[in-house]
Amino acid sequence: GAVVSQHPSWVICKSGTSVKIECRSLDFQATTMFWYRQFPKQSLMLMATSNEGSKATYEQGVEKDKFLINHASLTLSTLTVTSAHPEDSSFYICSARGGLGPYEQYFGPGTRLTVT
Amino acid sequence: QQQVKQSPQSLIVQKGGISIINCAYENTAFDYFPWYQQFPGKGPALLIAIRPDVSEKKEGRFTISFNKSAKQFSLHIMDSQPGDSATYFCAASAAYKYIFGTGTRLKVLA
Repeated sequence: GAVVSQHPSWVICKSGTSVKIECRSLDFQATTMFWYRQFPKQSLMLMATSNEGSKATYEQGVEKDKFLINHASLTLSTLTVTSAHPEDSSFYICSARGGLGPYEQYFGPGTRLTVT
Repeated sequence: QQQVKQSPQSLIVQKGGISIINCAYENTAFDYFPWYQQFPGKGPALLIAIRPDVSEKKEGRFTISFNKSAKQFSLHIMDSQPGDSATYFCAASAAYKYIFGTGTRLKVLA
């Protein structure tokens, strides 16, 4: 149980275009979903927290107009990177809370974004 | 105060040995301490977690030791295996948000 999927697993886009990443909780309803960013050989940095039907809460330094988050249902959250630039290239990972316990976060497999 | 300090940065252990990774925190509001295992190109997977009212938790070969007064906690991997070679992250949670440590790259030699 507590499986989280992400789509796509990798994406290449041209500079200036937008790309959408989906995060789904497959076997539980996620009360909260989180989006993280991870650079090579570095730790996970929380970008934003979202609850179903509410506006996302962004961490300090994260541009909310660049990283649009929509949490349309208890099983789906999307991250849209708008007007992507090469510096947005990274590994984006979502997690979901609400599975087996109130504290645990279950992570998706990640999405590798490369902006050329 | 929101940082979680993790050490060592990298660790090499012989097969069958014990791997020990340490984390320290400052914020006393943290109320949940999970450990995650991450393989290259994959998302982190929850290994084991502890609440601050418990000093030790064991699940299979994995043990968390928690010292509330010292604000430190550690992961012990007993009988380490080559398949355990991965990056391990500790985290601390307050209000359900995680702050991750910097990670430890573990290599277990066959």
